[in-house]
Amino acid sequence: AQSVAQPEDQVNVAEGNPLTVKCTYSVSGNPYLFWYVQYPNRGLQFLLKYITGDNLVKGSYGFEAEFNKSQTSFHLKKPSALVSDSALYFCAVWTGANNLFFGTGTRLTVIP
Amino acid sequence: KAGVTQTPRYLIKTRGQQVTLSCSPISGHRSVSWYQQTPGQGLQFLFEYFSETQRNKGNFPGRFSGRQFSNSRSEMNVSTLELGDSALYLCASGPSTGRSYNEQFFGPGTRLTVL
Repeated sequence: AQSVAQPEDQVNVAEGNPLTVKCTYSVSGNPYLFWYVQYPNRGLQFLLKYITGDNLVKGSYGFEAEFNKSQTSFHLKKPSALVSDSALYFCAVWTGANNLFFGTGTRLTVIP
Repeated sequence: KAGVTQTPRYLIKTRGQQVTLSCSPISGHRSVSWYQQTPGQGLQFLFEYFSETQRNKGNFPGRFSGRQFSNSRSEMNVSTLELGDSALYLCASGPSTGRSYNEQFFGPGTRLTVL
């Protein structure tokens, strides 16, 4: 079965510092991995995806993620955090049952 | 193109009642999926509809049901509401083009509160 895990419930980072939100995956075959962001009282917004190709994936709002097959990780990164990046971030994997399996979410707080 | 729309945005019901939520997908999308989001269980897949047929189903009791109409609009119904059904219900639509994954676009959700 396809699954992902987000080991950190909360990540705090100072504005201007680089940020990392961690995600590990467990899949059979080639993984299709996604990052979504959720702002208060909003639905999920797509950030980026890894299907095939370059291990470094660039997405919306300056975010990027690195697919690491040996470590089965797909961490979300941004070189310089903004206060407006504060939100709930979800890693997800496409399952064989035509749906997304989501991690438990990581709340990112960027401190001014 | 307009995005995925969900109505109503907020709903308050009491235990034992039933509720119907509506989702209008992006024009041209034929796949509609429903997810439940709660603080304790996170985001969980409920079911997916394609061409008016339920194609996949998550691990939820039979009180949760859905349907899809010929215009791809979908409704989700929860009968005999329980306190634990309080959640944000998210709908996602996708083109389902036959690739091995189906890009999903999410609506803003319906916040259901059961008292």
